[in-house]
Amino acid sequence: DAGVTQSPTHLIKTRGQQVTLRCSPKSGHDTVSWYQQALGQGPQFIFQYYEEEERQRGNFPDRFSGHQFPNYSSELNVNALLLGDSALYLCASSRRRLTNEKLFFGSGTQLSVL
Amino acid sequence: QKEVEQNSGPLSVPEGAIASLNCTYSDRGSQSFFWYRQYSGKSPELIMFIYSNGDKEDGRFTAQLNKASQYVSLLIRDSQPSDSATYLCAVNGRDDKIIFGKGTRLHILP
Repeated sequence: DAGVTQSPTHLIKTRGQQVTLRCSPKSGHDTVSWYQQALGQGPQFIFQYYEEEERQRGNFPDRFSGHQFPNYSSELNVNALLLGDSALYLCASSRRRLTNEKLFFGSGTQLSVL
Repeated sequence: QKEVEQNSGPLSVPEGAIASLNCTYSDRGSQSFFWYRQYSGKSPELIMFIYSNGDKEDGRFTAQLNKASQYVSLLIRDSQPSDSATYLCAVNGRDDKIIFGKGTRLHILP
């Protein structure tokens, strides 16, 4: 049973560029949430996708956008990269129809903006 | 702004002792509570979850929840060096967002 998979594992970009991160949820999961984790901080909620729509959003600017595909996989796009966007980006999946459902995380994408 | 607060530590505990990690949350409507363990350079791993007031035990781990005091804790018995990690408290509020604290760094002394 495959867990949550993310790609790429590491990425280096320069300021102003755009980046796309990818996530495949755990088998049987239909909901994907994205988190940003800066060094020494807890994960910060970016947004959640279910049924191919953004359902919840945290305090992140519109430069952060996403998409969910019919197979439940998801992408996180960040435009006009800033130095402060350097962080570990975590994808987590869950099953929407179950209340109090737990999040399972992928191994993350480490983004460095130079 | 809904918040989850944790002492950042580091919390140093001798091997074999009990480690006690604490967390408070601001949203009274929060419904479910989680503890994740995160090793350096790795992603968070779920180790405990609790939904009702009281204690929940799983092996060496016990989660405690007090909704009236908006307080959740994690006890680790017979602490091992492999328990050295950052422990993240996470709370699922009424708006169905799971919010994380900043984490507590735990160091088990051999």
